[in-house]
Amino acid sequence: AQKVTQAQTEISVVEKEDVTLDCVYETRDTTYYLFWYKQPPSGELVFLIRRNSFDEQNEISGRYSWNFQKSTSSFNFTITASQVVDSAVYFCALSENNAGNMLTFGGGTRLMVKP
Amino acid sequence: NAGVTQTPKFRVLKTGQSMTLLCAQDMNHEYMYWYRQDPGMGLRLIHYSVGEGTTAKGEVPDGYNVSRLKKQNFLLGLESAAPSQTSVYFCASSYSRGFNTEAFFGQGTRLTVV
Repeated sequence: AQKVTQAQTEISVVEKEDVTLDCVYETRDTTYYLFWYKQPPSGELVFLIRRNSFDEQNEISGRYSWNFQKSTSSFNFTITASQVVDSAVYFCALSENNAGNMLTFGGGTRLMVKP
Repeated sequence: NAGVTQTPKFRVLKTGQSMTLLCAQDMNHEYMYWYRQDPGMGLRLIHYSVGEGTTAKGEVPDGYNVSRLKKQNFLLGLESAAPSQTSVYFCASSYSRGFNTEAFFGQGTRLTVV
């Protein structure tokens, strides 16, 4: 069965600090997708990134970067030079190829960035 | 482009009452989903649909029913609401299986059962 674990329930940092959100997943499929979503205080879910299991290249988008390591079943998310607007709950999610695009979510990490 | 729209956005129910949550998408997506979000548990899949006229159970289907009579709409029903169903409900849709598997989410419905 698929499972996603986000061990950090809450992280508090001061603005401009770098922060890494951890995500560990379990799956028996060889083809799967990993996602990160952001949920700001307003409540909506904002898609950040999708990565398929055959692409282990790290990705950088502005201050955001993602490190995908199949060897450790991890898909970690780093925010560089954090800002107050980064304060949100971040969810990691997994979709197996044979599971109808259903997403299995981790419990989420609440990030608080203080000025 | 509205994307995924949920109605209502807030609702308070008494135990035993029934209600229907409506989800509408205008992206011609085949797949639609209902999730519930509870503190510390992320989002859990209630039911989903892979096309008009089809529905299937997710991880936590008990106490809920769904219908997909039209491709663009996915309804979630609570026949006899219980306090354990107090939650935030999210509808989502996605194009199909395959490479483009991004799910688009609605704004959420906050339901309180007293």
